[in-house]
Amino acid sequence: QKEVEQNSGPLSVPEGAIASLNCTYSDRVSQSFFWYRQYSGKSPELIMSIYSNGDKEDGRFTAQLNKASQYVSLLIRDSQPSDSATYLCAVNAGNNRKLIWGLGTSLAVNP
Amino acid sequence: NAGVTQTPKFRILKIGQSMTLQCAQDMNHNYMYWYRQDPGMGLKLIYYSVGAGITDKGEVPNGYNVSRSTTEDFPLRLELAAPSQTSVYFCASSGGSMFIYGYTFGSGTRLTVV
Repeated sequence: QKEVEQNSGPLSVPEGAIASLNCTYSDRVSQSFFWYRQYSGKSPELIMSIYSNGDKEDGRFTAQLNKASQYVSLLIRDSQPSDSATYLCAVNAGNNRKLIWGLGTSLAVNP
Repeated sequence: NAGVTQTPKFRILKIGQSMTLQCAQDMNHNYMYWYRQDPGMGLKLIYYSVGAGITDKGEVPNGYNVSRSTTEDFPLRLELAAPSQTSVYFCASSGGSMFIYGYTFGSGTRLTVV
């Protein structure tokens, strides 16, 4: 069974710190990896996608992918209270268009 | 662009009633999905569609039905509502660049069955 695992949290960081969110996946043929942010009562919104080993940066967000170790992480620099949300990791395996979802990590950024 | 539009946003049903959750997208996406999300349980795929006239079951299809007569619309039908169907329902779509842009989600329908 293909699985995506995340720590449920809550992860609590002070404002201005770096928040580090991690995700591991079981299927070695996974190709594309996504981080979504979900505010309470809202729908998931895409923050980052990554499909090559290494780092991908977009503003305060950096996604890191290590296919050999089967993990993907999201770093949020200079965390703001507005970053407080649940972060969902999703993985696509092969050519089918279904994503496998983690349960999410709750992040709280304290002023 | 409207993106993915879901209606209604909220609904209360009595046990045994039926209803249709509407989902429409204006991005010409071939792929559409219905998820339910319960607290602490993550997103569970109910049904998905790879194009007009083609649908398939996801992880939790029991108690639901779908149809896809057009590229734009993907309604979800609940027959004989049960309390176990109390949940938040999300519709999503993806296009040819799915491996880069992932899914686009609608704003959700919060359904309570009493």
